[in-house]
Amino acid sequence: SQTIHQWPATLVQPVGSPLSLECTVEGTSNPNLYWYRQAAGRGLQLLFYSVGIGQISSEVPQNLSASRPQDRQFILSSKKLLLSDSGFYLCAWSISRTEAFFGQGTRLTVV
Amino acid sequence: GEDVEQSLFLSVREGDSSVINCTYTDSSSTYLYWYKQEPGAGLQLLTYIFSNMDMKQDQRLTVLLNKKDKHLSLRIADTQTGDSAIYFCAESAGNMLTFGGGTRLMVKP
Repeated sequence: SQTIHQWPATLVQPVGSPLSLECTVEGTSNPNLYWYRQAAGRGLQLLFYSVGIGQISSEVPQNLSASRPQDRQFILSSKKLLLSDSGFYLCAWSISRTEAFFGQGTRLTVV
Repeated sequence: GEDVEQSLFLSVREGDSSVINCTYTDSSSTYLYWYKQEPGAGLQLLTYIFSNMDMKQDQRLTVLLNKKDKHLSLRIADTQTGDSAIYFCAESAGNMLTFGGGTRLMVKP
């Protein structure tokens, strides 16, 4: 069966520090991978998506970047965090249009 | 571009029916979804409907789709306190899922 792992679950980082959130998928090949952000009290914002290794599309200009070094690994990064980067980050994968599967999320607090 | 909208909040009493509404703009949507997010957790797919269907029923859940008006609704019968969560409507366009802002459902005992 397919599973998705996302870590860490919670993270508190100072302003200006770097960020690396990792997401891995098991049990499937060549998935579409996504990073979403959910700010407090707001809906989901698509940040990045990837249809293959090294292929990253960005939906919004921001302080963040994403990479896909392996087929089932998706990494969200920042060189210098801003206060506005605080939020709940969700990784997801899909194969077809029928549904997407989400990780448990990372709650990032930038202080 | 695509846009999916939902009301922010709904409060119901335990045992009543809940109806969560959603409107979307992309007429090429092939699937429409309802996801549930419990506090501090990721999203779980509740149900989905193909765009050539008008209705889909799954136990306590009923999804209604009005493609002409681009309106989707989720009805939860006999709402329980465990149904309290944020419910997201989403549509698929190509490889992307576009989500609404979520409706927070509060169930009062």
